[in-house]
Amino acid sequence: DAKTTQPPSMDCAEGRAANLPCNHSTISGNEYVYWYRQIHSQGPQYIIHGLKNNETNEMASLIITEDRKSSTLILPHATLRDTAVYYCIVRVGVSYNTDKLIFGTGTRLQVFP
Amino acid sequence: EAQVTQNPRYLITVTGKKLTVTCSQNMNHEYMSWYRQDPGLGLRQIYYSMNVEVTDKGDVPEGYKVSRKEKRNFPLILESPSPNQTSLYFCASSLGVGQGGGELFFGEGSRLTVL
Repeated sequence: DAKTTQPPSMDCAEGRAANLPCNHSTISGNEYVYWYRQIHSQGPQYIIHGLKNNETNEMASLIITEDRKSSTLILPHATLRDTAVYYCIVRVGVSYNTDKLIFGTGTRLQVFP
Repeated sequence: EAQVTQNPRYLITVTGKKLTVTCSQNMNHEYMSWYRQDPGLGLRQIYYSMNVEVTDKGDVPEGYKVSRKEKRNFPLILESPSPNQTSLYFCASSLGVGQGGGELFFGEGSRLTVL
């Protein structure tokens, strides 16, 4: 019972924006959208998160649709170092009875020169 | 430095020989969790803990045990390892409350091979 769906792979030219989509059509009102990435077999690294509004930090921007059923992670100027697997998850946190997380298989982003 | 520390990083063992993978965090996080990663299957949650003495099953708990006797530690126990538990394991922690639980901090991973 996957909570999010992502395309298995994407390509992006170096210097261009990488737009990674995520579908979370069953998201509930108190669930946040989180994005992580994993380079090779290292531990996943946090990128950004949001609830309703669009968010931006030094790494990326997160655009969440008004109905919150999907989101897009934007890497504005992709570099070769951004080649990684990107995971989108939804999470409510321990304030509620369960905090089971489903990462899925993510999107493998390949940035090429 | 804020970190999640796993040990051992690499281990080769034999079927049936009990082993424990330790996980420790120094951020006073309430939430801790274990994942396994296998080729083509992404990250799958084994167990998680929302606080001391509170643990719950993830998606693939069979063959594993955990305990949370103190806040900083969350060991993963394989009572009788089998070859299908050969995998890359990650421990993670987060605040747990607020902002959907906060960002997860992951350890560097433990690569386990069961012969």
